[in-house]
Amino acid sequence: ETGVTQTPRHLVMGMTNKKSLKCEQHLGHNAMYWYKQSAKKPLELMFVYNFKEQTENNSVPSRFSPECPNSSHLFLHLHTLQPEDSALYLCASSHNIGGYTFGSGTRLTVV
Amino acid sequence: AQKITQTQPGMFVQEKEAVTLDCTYDTSDQSYGLFWYKQPSSGEMIFLIYQGSYDEQNATEGRYSLNFQKARKSANLVISASQLGDSAMYFCAMREGQGSGNTGKLIFGQGTTLQVKP
Repeated sequence: ETGVTQTPRHLVMGMTNKKSLKCEQHLGHNAMYWYKQSAKKPLELMFVYNFKEQTENNSVPSRFSPECPNSSHLFLHLHTLQPEDSALYLCASSHNIGGYTFGSGTRLTVV
Repeated sequence: AQKITQTQPGMFVQEKEAVTLDCTYDTSDQSYGLFWYKQPSSGEMIFLIYQGSYDEQNATEGRYSLNFQKARKSANLVISASQLGDSAMYFCAMREGQGSGNTGKLIFGQGTTLQVKP
């Protein structure tokens, strides 16, 4: 247990479904992040939240919709995804300085 | 422009031997941090070691050490006395800026897959 909890661990969804990924941290960190990790690609930063305000959106398609109700929780709402969106989605948190603490990830398969 | 480069897609090492995983970076910032993470097949990213740009000594954490050569912009990870449990993907990452209010995005390299042979 790293201190960052992601649920679910695995998710299979159809292209017309709507689902949400959840990330929770109680480390007192102020920043939270969503990363996408596809096979044989570097981790891609998707969204950054600092004190629950979105500070970065790396040209992510609108079918991915993040939500950060407070500094401890981060969601990624998914709708009408494509098969190429299948990947490992990692959540992380950090202080402004210092390293990141990652969750165990959600392995998403879009069918 | 890619800022973190790991040129070794895959590496093999014999158990109990040492191995060096290469990482070069590019930044115009004077203040930055360099990190190494381990990712086993389970998917979690495990923090291994950190080197600040102003740190004069190479970082060490148990069997892990970071060979920091600032002028060459390299931050190689050295794993001594390899164990079978070290088999995993290893990522080098850089975080620019250390000031408050700066979320300092962590940018990752492509990763190196390490296999430890018994």
